[in-house]
Amino acid sequence: GESVGLHLPTLSVQEGDNSIINCAYSNSASDYFIWYKQESGKGPQFIIDIRSNMDKRQGQRVTVLLNKTVKHLSLQIAATQPGDSAVYFCAENTGGYNKLIFGAGTRLAVHP
Amino acid sequence: DGGITQSPKYLFRKEGQNVTLSCEQNLNHDAMYWYRQDPGQGLRLIYYSQIVNDFQKGDIAEGYSVSREKKESFPLTVTSAQKNPTAFYLCASADLAIGTDTQYFGPGTRLTVL
Repeated sequence: GESVGLHLPTLSVQEGDNSIINCAYSNSASDYFIWYKQESGKGPQFIIDIRSNMDKRQGQRVTVLLNKTVKHLSLQIAATQPGDSAVYFCAENTGGYNKLIFGAGTRLAVHP
Repeated sequence: DGGITQSPKYLFRKEGQNVTLSCEQNLNHDAMYWYRQDPGQGLRLIYYSQIVNDFQKGDIAEGYSVSREKKESFPLTVTSAQKNPTAFYLCASADLAIGTDTQYFGPGTRLTVL
């Protein structure tokens, strides 16, 4: 399949470990944030979202943390599995017309 | 079976030709979007539409055109004026009525200029 991120930062983890993927966002006025997962040659898949009035939100095996003071977003994946291997993007809504600004992405490589 | 479909999956174009990428959704979403993705970069917005018969330029609209004649369809034409069209193109849609900003993506079309 196609590679969507030839020169992306890569996080390598062992299967079963927890993964933390970080994202610095640009606009202090952004009020909504999304994490997407993109497998090679496929479209991004929604994972989890969070609004700016929250600092933590949990899903199934995933947790998103938001630190507005330093404009930082993180995605935590518990008990990482080989199927979690993909490129992960954060996106922020800077307001108006549902326009999202995407980060460059981080590649997660899970090793057995 | 609901979702967003894009066709074709792979598309090859000769220099100087216009090509049209298809995007269809049966989610009854109001808004639709086109993005371009290049290796090592995030998604960049080409065009978006919030309602039928209306659309707005995104950050990199030059060399592209769109139409929104039906709610479920938002085709993108890559014209010969686009100097570097080889890329992965992604279509997305969002339901503005429910008050969330989540965009859902199609599987993408990879365009290669020969």
